[in-house]
Formats: sequence, structure tokens, C-alpha cells
Amino acid sequence: QVQLVESGGGVVQPGRSLRLSCAASGFTFSTYAMHWVRQAPGKGLEWVAVLAYDGSNKNYADSVKGRFTISRDNSENTLYLQMNSLRADDTAVYYCAKDRAAPGRRGLDVWGQGTTVTVSS
Amino acid sequence: DIVMTQSPLSLPVTPGEPASISCTSSQSLLHSNGNNYLHWYLQKPGQSPQLLIYLGSNRASGVPDRFSGSGSGTDFTLKITRVEAEDVGVYYCMEALQSYTFGQGSKLEIK
Repeated sequence: QVQLVESGGGVVQPGRSLRLSCAASGFTFSTYAMHWVRQAPGKGLEWVAVLAYDGSNKNYADSVKGRFTISRDNSENTLYLQMNSLRADDTAVYYCAKDRAAPGRRGLDVWGQGTTVTVSS
Repeated sequence: DIVMTQSPLSLPVTPGEPASISCTSSQSLLHSNGNNYLHWYLQKPGQSPQLLIYLGSNRASGVPDRFSGSGSGTDFTLKITRVEAEDVGVYYCMEALQSYTFGQGSKLEIK
């Protein structure tokens, strides 16, 4: 079945780095844009980043621009989020999500279960 | 930046009764291709979000037909014809025209 499984979350000190992974299965990963969306404790959803199906186009929320990098390995059906210079307000559950279209913008129709990132000293 | 505003933020509903959530965008979400880049999601308690409606009015796969989306430009509405207990959760609209911006969320609860 169609599935996204995130991993790599944990507790990290402010200023340090963390890399999240999202393993996809059950669909042709290389033909869809992919997103990261986060949710701080008790808060709403915040979109983080998107990467087009072939890696040609990416975009970031202002809150993470210059610190986070989204990437993908279509040969391994895996999406990544490299998070550098982490801050306390990056603490959240991070969801990986599939777009309905290759370039994006058509709706996020498959979501992972999320991985928790806690930034704390 | 586009600002998405939802109302109401809290929605107590009796089972079997209708419900409606409004989403207003600070800029038009109507593209020259005729699509409104507005999507609706539901996050049930303890679960990941799920897509309900895409491009303003299209039900996602597996979504019951009691859910419908309407609107164009800057004003959109999600309607549930007859609320069921399983519909509880937080509903989010999201623009996907300029970037991707979620509304604050509207929490539906059963009376």
C-alpha cells in the first residue's frame, strides 16, 4: 500500500544539525513532488519545504530558508530534510507528504506518521 | 505573503446536523488556468492530516460525499451535510498558489 515512513527525529541542542528521512513505498516516487510539513506542540500545521519530482525546483518557508535543505534520492525512494542551526522554535512533529502532481501545488494526498524533533539544551 | 483566515475556529455540532467552515485568502487563489489553488485537510485526534478537498471543490479519493468544497478567488467554504462522530478533528485550508500557507485550523467537536 501507499506509505511514507519518517525517521531521524530526536532531541538535539540548539545550533546543532539533524537529518530527517522519509521512505516511500507503494507508488512511483520519482513522479511526484514531495513536501515537509511540521506541527509544533499544540499548534497548527506549518508548511516547511517542497521539492519537485526531479529535484529541479525547491522552495522553503521563510522560517527555515538558509538553514534547512530538502533533497531526494529517487533511486532509493527517499526524501530528506537536512536541518542546520536548529532553534527551539523548530521543535515539532515533522511530516513527510506526497503531492498529487509532479511539480506540486495540487494537494498533499499521502502523509507519513511524523517524526518528532525536540530542540533543547 | 498570503494570509489564510478561517472561521469559526471552534465548531460544536450535533450529529446529523450540517456544518460549514469558511476560509478567506488575502489574495486571489484563482490561477489563469481556471484552478483555485485551495485545499482542505482534516487532522483527526492523534492522527496525521488527510486531504479532503483539492483545488477548491474536488473530493479526494475515499472522502465521503457529505463533504463538499466551494468558492473561488478569495472566499472558500467547506461544508458537511450531516456531521458524524468520526468527523471530529481540526480542519485546515491551505493555499498552494503563491507558496503553501495553512489557515489557523477550525476545531469541530460533537455536542
